[in-house]
Amino acid sequence: DVKVTQSSRYLVKRTGEKVFLECVQDMDHENMFWYRQDPGLGLRLIYFSYDVKMKEKGDIPEGYSVSREKKERFSLILESASTNQTSMYLCASSLRGMGLTDTQYFGPGTRLTVL
Amino acid sequence: AQSVTQLDSQVPVFEEAPVELRCNYSSSVSVYLFWYVQYPNQGLQLLLKYLSGSTLVESINGFEAEFNKSQTSFHLRKPSVHISDTAEYFCAVRVLNTGNQFYFGTGTSLTVIP
Repeated sequence: DVKVTQSSRYLVKRTGEKVFLECVQDMDHENMFWYRQDPGLGLRLIYFSYDVKMKEKGDIPEGYSVSREKKERFSLILESASTNQTSMYLCASSLRGMGLTDTQYFGPGTRLTVL
Repeated sequence: AQSVTQLDSQVPVFEEAPVELRCNYSSSVSVYLFWYVQYPNQGLQLLLKYLSGSTLVESINGFEAEFNKSQTSFHLRKPSVHISDTAEYFCAVRVLNTGNQFYFGTGTSLTVIP
């Protein structure tokens, strides 16, 4: 089974702090994604990466950056955390290409609270 | 841009009653369609998907969804729900030939009442 792990289930940070959220997948997937999930808004894509050192902006990249130095690891960075970034953050991965492999596998999520 | 609409944000239903969770999307081109389920305090899990072939797809726990191209819909149904089906359900669309991005709906919270 594919396993996607996220470094923390719960995180509390102060406004202005730099925050790192880590995601690791163990199935050699090319594609990795970061979403945030908010009530009434569903999942919104922040950034995704289709290869090492490659990244693409999603729908809401402002205030975030990402890093993909190794294939299995995709990091989300909040340069200066703000209260409106309090949310559930979900990481996902998938194999590249079409067909039956085109499924996203999700981690358990990190609930971030910024005070 | 692609949009995915789940009209019902909350659906309460009695145990053993049927349920339908609605999903409509905006693309008029070829798509892959997915339903994901999120149980309380867990990540999203794939429930079922439509890629091609038969327009009716089924999951192992009794859910089914039908792809209707003319109505651009992919509604999720179950003839008899269980308490354990209480969860958040997300519809997702991937438009072919636009890269690797998925588009998610806002989710429907299904609550099964004993």
